[in-house]
Amino acid sequence: NAGVMQNPRHLVRRRGQEARLRCSPMKGHSHVYWYRQLPEEGLKFMVYLQKENIIDESGMPKERFSAEFPKEGPSILRIQQVVRGDSAAYFCASSPLPGTGGRGKYNQPQHFGDGTRLSIL
Amino acid sequence: SQKIEQNSEALNIQEGKTATLTCNYTNYSPAYLQWYRQDPGRGPVFLLLIRENEKEKRKERLKVTFDTTLKQSLFHITASQPADSATYLCALEGRGSTLGRLYFGRGTQLTVWP
Repeated sequence: NAGVMQNPRHLVRRRGQEARLRCSPMKGHSHVYWYRQLPEEGLKFMVYLQKENIIDESGMPKERFSAEFPKEGPSILRIQQVVRGDSAAYFCASSPLPGTGGRGKYNQPQHFGDGTRLSIL
Repeated sequence: SQKIEQNSEALNIQEGKTATLTCNYTNYSPAYLQWYRQDPGRGPVFLLLIRENEKEKRKERLKVTFDTTLKQSLFHITASQPADSATYLCALEGRGSTLGRLYFGRGTQLTVWP
């Protein structure tokens, strides 16, 4: 998964604290997606961002969760006042075009980082 | 929203055999159907993509088929090797307002034993 960098790889927080997860997309990619993988469950879409814009946040809980992708720097997924149920692996993906792209035969699938494993004590 | 089902949470086969994994979906047919591989503690790695107007796609020992009538994709690994042991994920991309959103199945854990 060289290219999409996520940090930290592991994050431990106590209930009520804030968690900040960072994602640096592959070079040349301006579209970022966040997914959450709960134990024994599949990956679930959370939010899709383009530089300085939130395109689709319909998969993100309405409270305590926020995401940004500033003009400069990594994308940040922020979870305030964490609870035990937030324990999961959070993955970031990036692509150079919206979605997989549909122009001609050159599709651009999303490339994933190795995730941040968040544990809540 | 899409619901994706990958039958067989676990599949165990002998080295050299062909592994066949199934992905079924409900609702609309996606423009693209994708297969990823995920190893423990790692992120998904893209393997193959097939478009709605394609029946079959191959890449080395991998083959994907896509039947929009059955709403099903089959993923084959021929001449399987122990190094192929991993979890394989099927993913569909949304259309229109959900473009970019990938819907994933829970995955099939493949074990290839020598």
